[in-house]
Amino acid sequence: DIQMTQSPASLSASLGETVTIECLASEDIYSNLAWYQQKPGKSPQLLIYDASSLQDGVPSRFSGSESGTQYSLEINSLQSEDAATYFCQQHHDYPRTFGGGTKLELK
Amino acid sequence: EVKLVESGGGLVQPGRSLKLSCAASGFSFNDYWMGWVRQAPGKGLEWIGEINQDSSTINYTPSLKDKFTISRDNAQNTLYLQMSKLGSEDTAIYYCARPRQYWGQGVMVTVSS
Repeated sequence: DIQMTQSPASLSASLGETVTIECLASEDIYSNLAWYQQKPGKSPQLLIYDASSLQDGVPSRFSGSESGTQYSLEINSLQSEDAATYFCQQHHDYPRTFGGGTKLELK
Repeated sequence: EVKLVESGGGLVQPGRSLKLSCAASGFSFNDYWMGWVRQAPGKGLEWIGEINQDSSTINYTPSLKDKFTISRDNAQNTLYLQMSKLGSEDTAIYYCARPRQYWGQGVMVTVSS
């Protein structure tokens, strides 16, 4: 199975700041990576697919990038509504696997 | 509008079985892979499996392959998850998804005596 190591597990940031969340794949996943946002009591919402493509309707302050097997989600100009848990998921191979999640708290 | 609505959850005793359903609407159901993901209380997401359009290919996470069965009825636009030999570790919210774009609201399954 492909392991997705997500970091950090949690972070706290202020409004207007920029944060970066990372996922390290245990092998090459050829950009087949998605990022999701999940708010308490809600289902996950797709933010980014294919590592860097922004899902329709998602604010442009969200962006995805990659470097080798390291994938990053950057959130610019943090807004209060960005407080949530973020997950990565590889969709290169089966079983599809998720990162452990990053809980983002706004100060 | 794409809608995925899960049903069939609830409280079930250890060792028993349960079948979840997911009613799909707003898209051509038989054109898409469909899948299930679960989330134990306060935990992360766990991918269960996916089924292709004509049910000829079904992929599972290995640890659940002998307990869970995914199926679909394209005539009824419905996805199913048959769960057997349930244990406390199966207590979770179960989400139906059209990978990766659309998710249902989830249904809670609690395994307890």
